[in-house]
Amino acid sequence: QVQLVQSGAEVKKPGASVKVSCKASGYTFTSYYMHWVRQAPGQGLEWMGIINPSGGSTSYAQKFQGRVTMTRDTSTSTVYMELSSLRSEDTAVYYCARSYSPMRLDWYFDLWGRGTLVTVSS
Amino acid sequence: QSALTQPPSASGSPGQSVTISCTGTSSDVGGYNYVSWYQQHPGKAPKLMIYEVSKRPSGVPDRFSGSKSGNTASLTVSGLQAEDEADYYCSSYAGSNNFVFGTGTKVTVL
Repeated sequence: QVQLVQSGAEVKKPGASVKVSCKASGYTFTSYYMHWVRQAPGQGLEWMGIINPSGGSTSYAQKFQGRVTMTRDTSTSTVYMELSSLRSEDTAVYYCARSYSPMRLDWYFDLWGRGTLVTVSS
Repeated sequence: QSALTQPPSASGSPGQSVTISCTGTSSDVGGYNYVSWYQQHPGKAPKLMIYEVSKRPSGVPDRFSGSKSGNTASLTVSGLQAEDEADYYCSSYAGSNNFVFGTGTKVTVL
């Protein structure tokens, strides 16, 4: 069925990096843009950036510029989000979320992964 | 990019209506019709309820409706039901491949 399956929870030390994966299935991977959104404990949603799985182009929220890298592997229908120089404030659930329309850059997300909890603690 | 402003909470009795506001600027809500709303139950991923200001995805009850006036968007839930109790987030495109969510509103069904 149509779904996004994310990698498991991670515990990292401050200053380290984390790489979260999101494997798509049930649809044409390269036809839909993919976004990453995070949510700190008890807090709201925060958009991190977007990747075009077809060509690999990316656009990142200014807040994460220089610390985040989004990539994709078309052979496995998987997108990745790597966040570096982790600090305690990066403790959050990280979601991948698919754009609503195929072959079009739109700004609403109809399919979400279940989220990956990243805990940053010394 | 600052988060869009939503009231922290809203409530209503079963069968009543509740309206949630989402205030931005002319650079986001007021400048584009890419306003959407998400419902999030505790421990779950968000669910798209409204897109392009007032459109409903397939499967979303018509009790949910959206609108926009100037820099403020609104979500109305009519005929409140127990399962509508959740957090609701608005969002908007903000130009130059930027995007912003609202601060979130907790809806309580009394």
